[in-house]
Amino acid sequence: AQTIHQWPVAEIKAVGSPLSLGCTIKGKSSPNLYWYWQATGGTLQQLFYSITVGQVESVVQLNLSASRPKDDQFILSTEKLLLSHSGFYLCAWSLGDAEQFFGPGTRLTVL
Amino acid sequence: GDSVTQTEGLVTLTEGLPVMLNCTYQSTYSPFLFWYVQHLNEAPKLLLKSFTDNKRPEHQGFHATLHKSSSSFHLQKSSAQLSDSALYYCALSEQGTGSKLSFGKGAKLTVSP
Repeated sequence: AQTIHQWPVAEIKAVGSPLSLGCTIKGKSSPNLYWYWQATGGTLQQLFYSITVGQVESVVQLNLSASRPKDDQFILSTEKLLLSHSGFYLCAWSLGDAEQFFGPGTRLTVL
Repeated sequence: GDSVTQTEGLVTLTEGLPVMLNCTYQSTYSPFLFWYVQHLNEAPKLLLKSFTDNKRPEHQGFHATLHKSSSSFHLQKSSAQLSDSALYYCALSEQGTGSKLSFGKGAKLTVSP
């Protein structure tokens, strides 16, 4: 069975500090991978998607970047956090056009 | 471009009453429609997915029918339960893209005794 893991579970960071969030998928080969952001009380906003290793497409620019160094790994990062980066970050996977399945999420608080 | 509209932001119901959450969409081609449910402090989970053969998907008592003529995929349940209290998102994916899922703004359902 496939599993999706995100780390860390929660993070409290200072404005201007760097950030790296991770996501791994086990049990699926060559999945499509996605990053979403959800502000408190807000809807889900897709940030990035990746169809294959080394290729990442940006959907919305929020001064964030993403990379896919391995088939089963997706990284979200920034060198300088903003207050507006606070929220719930979700990684998701799918096989082709099929439905997306979400990881447990990382809750980020920027102070 | 593709878009999903959910008109109800907040829905409050008494347990046992029927549930209906609206979802309409705009799409250039033939999309897949989904309903996701998100409980407090949890990740969204897939509730329903539209079929291409006009079958009506059902799960946990919820069902939705894709009406291409009216571009709608409303979520319904005959009798609300306390455990149904959650955020419900309608989402759209264009067939053939495999890359972009567009979400509506969501509807917060609160079921009271």
